[in-house]
Amino acid sequence: RKEVEQDPGPFNVPEGATVAFNCTYSNSASQSFFWYRQDCRKEPKLLMSVYSSGNEDGRFTAQLNRASQYISLLIRDSKLSDSATYLCVVPPDTGNQFYFGTGTSLTVIP
Amino acid sequence: GAGVSQSPSNKVTEKGKDVELRCDPISGHTALYWYRQRLGQGLEFLIYFQGNSAPDKSGLPSDRFSAERTGESVSTLTIQRTQQEDSAVYLCASKTRDMTVTDTQYFGPGTRLTVL
Repeated sequence: RKEVEQDPGPFNVPEGATVAFNCTYSNSASQSFFWYRQDCRKEPKLLMSVYSSGNEDGRFTAQLNRASQYISLLIRDSKLSDSATYLCVVPPDTGNQFYFGTGTSLTVIP
Repeated sequence: GAGVSQSPSNKVTEKGKDVELRCDPISGHTALYWYRQRLGQGLEFLIYFQGNSAPDKSGLPSDRFSAERTGESVSTLTIQRTQQEDSAVYLCASKTRDMTVTDTQYFGPGTRLTVL
């Protein structure tokens, strides 16, 4: 099983819609998680960190389900500018290697 | 302030040639990572530097790949005898501290390498 798995999508949603992505991880000892956003041909940028059960920042909500070992990202009232690839990231339990998911592609349609 | 910078932004080379990629981390960041991202794929960890400690090279795919960093400054990633499978975007990231994994990694814009 891969360390981190994401549904690659693509998710095509109309403006104003609510969309959610899930990410599953294999290491039950993982304590913190990240969602990064990557625009086409650009570098990843941190969107949200998740340390406990969840985190909310404006239209974005990240939730953690430790029992089922998945984290989710919910985007409300989608904007055209939300179109990007969203990467789920799990830090190492030991060692230095952060594990990046392959990303979920979102396109918000006018 | 200045972010992570990388050069060149694009590199086209012929199979068998050596290439050197450069990363300038954010000033004061002690931790530096190199990743490879193939088209449509996730990020692959290559190597990690922390200050003057021995680097974690566990992600380097072959002995054709090597990287150096002097102290907390510039890092270079060298690929010898490039192969077409090396074509990818090479991303560098830096982080303030290595004692906690909760610190954010800041990525550079990457170097897009194309091996013909």
